[in-house]
Amino acid sequence: GDSVTQMEGPVTLSEEAFLTINCTYTATGYPSLFWYVQYPGEGLQLLLKATKADDKGSNKGFEATYRKETTSFHLEKGSVQVSDSAVYFCVTGTASKLTFGTGTRLQVTL
Amino acid sequence: GAGVSQSPRYKVAKRGQDVALRCDPISGHVSLFWYQQALGQGPEFLTYFQNEAQLDKSGLPSDRFFAERPEGSVSTLKIQRTQQEDSAVYLCASTLVGLAGGIGELFFGEGSRLTVL
Repeated sequence: GDSVTQMEGPVTLSEEAFLTINCTYTATGYPSLFWYVQYPGEGLQLLLKATKADDKGSNKGFEATYRKETTSFHLEKGSVQVSDSAVYFCVTGTASKLTFGTGTRLQVTL
Repeated sequence: GAGVSQSPRYKVAKRGQDVALRCDPISGHVSLFWYQQALGQGPEFLTYFQNEAQLDKSGLPSDRFFAERPEGSVSTLKIQRTQQEDSAVYLCASTLVGLAGGIGELFFGEGSRLTVL
């Protein structure tokens, strides 16, 4: 079955720092790739997605590019804010299933 | 309501008790999913409904777990004879359409946290 490996947290950054959260995956076929985010006290919500190789998903200043050759989907943001503090999940999607990574907690401080 | 609603938000059960967890998806959403999230882990797929039909139940960990969606709207996840390893957050998600075009964005509820003593 599919699997996702993402960097362990917590990641602690100062406001306006550059963020990278690494994610690699294994999957049969051609999955869609997602980043989901869970803010404190809220449910999981979609941050961005890419459905085929070389697609770039972007939202709220976050970006990730579907790299088939390296089976990666790293999340980046040029300048993080305190409000970005949350748990980020890298996710593959095939057929009826989403397969989640273990999540990376990001803490942004002033 | 505007989002996916789950109840109860918290449930404490003694080992061996049966529990029922309810999910109200977004109105009109065709597809409904249940996921299990253990502490410190990502959610894991349990089962998927398209309308009232349960099309995939490959993630249910044992025959103690049972899910239904009899009228294609509200769904209930039932766990019989609960065990300590069943302690987790149970997440429900829905999406507007079926999955013929591939899985897209899921809308998640806040989950039901089950603690089995």
